[in-house]
Amino acid sequence: KNQVEQSPQSLIILEGKNCTLQCNYTVSPFSNLRWYKQDTGRGPVSLTIMTFSENTKSNGRYTATLDADTKQSSLHITASQLSDSASYICVVSPLGGGSQGNLIFGKGTKLSVKP
Amino acid sequence: ETGVTQSPTHLIKTRGQQVTLRCSSQSGHNTVSWYQQALGQGPQFIFQYYREEENGRGNFPPRFSGLQFPNYSSELNVNALELDDSALYLCASSAGLAGASYEQYFGPGTRLTVT
Repeated sequence: KNQVEQSPQSLIILEGKNCTLQCNYTVSPFSNLRWYKQDTGRGPVSLTIMTFSENTKSNGRYTATLDADTKQSSLHITASQLSDSASYICVVSPLGGGSQGNLIFGKGTKLSVKP
Repeated sequence: ETGVTQSPTHLIKTRGQQVTLRCSSQSGHNTVSWYQQALGQGPQFIFQYYREEENGRGNFPPRFSGLQFPNYSSELNVNALELDDSALYLCASSAGLAGASYEQYFGPGTRLTVT
């Protein structure tokens, strides 16, 4: 069964600190892996999209890495800000998902940044 | 803002009733995907519409149906509402099929409560 597992479930850090969120998936083969940021009660906003052949992708203070051999991805946030408080969701698209449109979402990691 | 709008913002319905949710896609996008997000969970794929035709469906019963119009806006219809249908319903538009590496732009969602 195609699954996406994220850890930790929740995380509290102090403003200015760095943090790393983890994503393990069993989807194989896959087309791409995405990270989204979702504020409470709002729609997700894309942070990065990586194809299976990419190892890393950055978007400002967000850096995503991908290890297709171990089926793991991480999202590293540098110099956290209060506005980073949100849920971060890992999404994997199965190869051939283009015709199925079936993106598989993790449950997300809820990040709280405290002053 | 993504340019994707959804209406209504909130909705309260009674079990057994029917509901229609609407989504206006971003200009230039021909694909709309619908997701159901229960509280504390990641979004679950309902179905995708590409150029006015359903192109992929998740594990949702037939009482979940949809339409896409010539201007690529879309509707999600749910018949015979059940209590478990209470969730945030998200639509996302993209310039191509969701399973490919096209960026997905999410709307703010419609919060449906079934009593």
